Amino acid sequence: NAGVTQTPKFQVLKTGQSMTLQCAQDMNHEYMSWYRQDPGMGLRLIHYSVGAGITDQGEVPNGYNVSRSTTEDFPLRLLSAAPSQTSVYFCASSSLRGRSEGEQFFGPGTRLTVL
Amino acid sequence: QKEVEQDPGPLSVPEGAIVSLNCTYSNSAFQYFMWYRQYSRKGPELLMYTYSSGNKEDGRFTAQVDKSSKYISLFIRDSQPSDSATYLCAMSARNDYKLSFGAGTTVTVRA
Repeated sequence: NAGVTQTPKFQVLKTGQSMTLQCAQDMNHEYMSWYRQDPGMGLRLIHYSVGAGITDQGEVPNGYNVSRSTTEDFPLRLLSAAPSQTSVYFCASSSLRGRSEGEQFFGPGTRLTVL
Repeated sequence: QKEVEQDPGPLSVPEGAIVSLNCTYSNSAFQYFMWYRQYSRKGPELLMYTYSSGNKEDGRFTAQVDKSSKYISLFIRDSQPSDSATYLCAMSARNDYKLSFGAGTTVTVRA
């Protein structure tokens, strides 16, 4: 199993550009989520999904869109990049079956810089 | 005020010392408490998972939860240089898979 994979690893954008961060998992997990990590702020939830076709907003959703058309994939779209979106982005997944609350598996992250 | 407070450190200890980390929280609905370890430029990985109050031990790691004080701790005994990482506390309410994270504490174990 590859676990949770994210592409690209690094990205530099100019203000106003759009892009999609890819996330995929091969563990058949229902729950998937996107976090951003900034110095001194910990991980903050952007969007999450409990299954294909179902998404919801987290703590910091503004400027980001998500969709979940399959169980495996959960892309994050930046509509019009701003310097405030410079961050490290992590995708995570978890099974909703059984006592596994909190056991989220994280991808390696995407380092995004917006100039 | 943040929902989860964690001293970011940094914390530097000699090899073999006991590392003590803690978090406080304000949401009394939190029932699940976790510690994640994150090596530099890597994703977080689950280290310890505790439900409600009490202690849990796993090798050199001990997690404690005191819900009455809204305080959780992680102890690392006989610390090793390989324990050098950022440790993040996280918690969630029952039937809620969303996690609230602390800011993370950076730990360096000196050989």
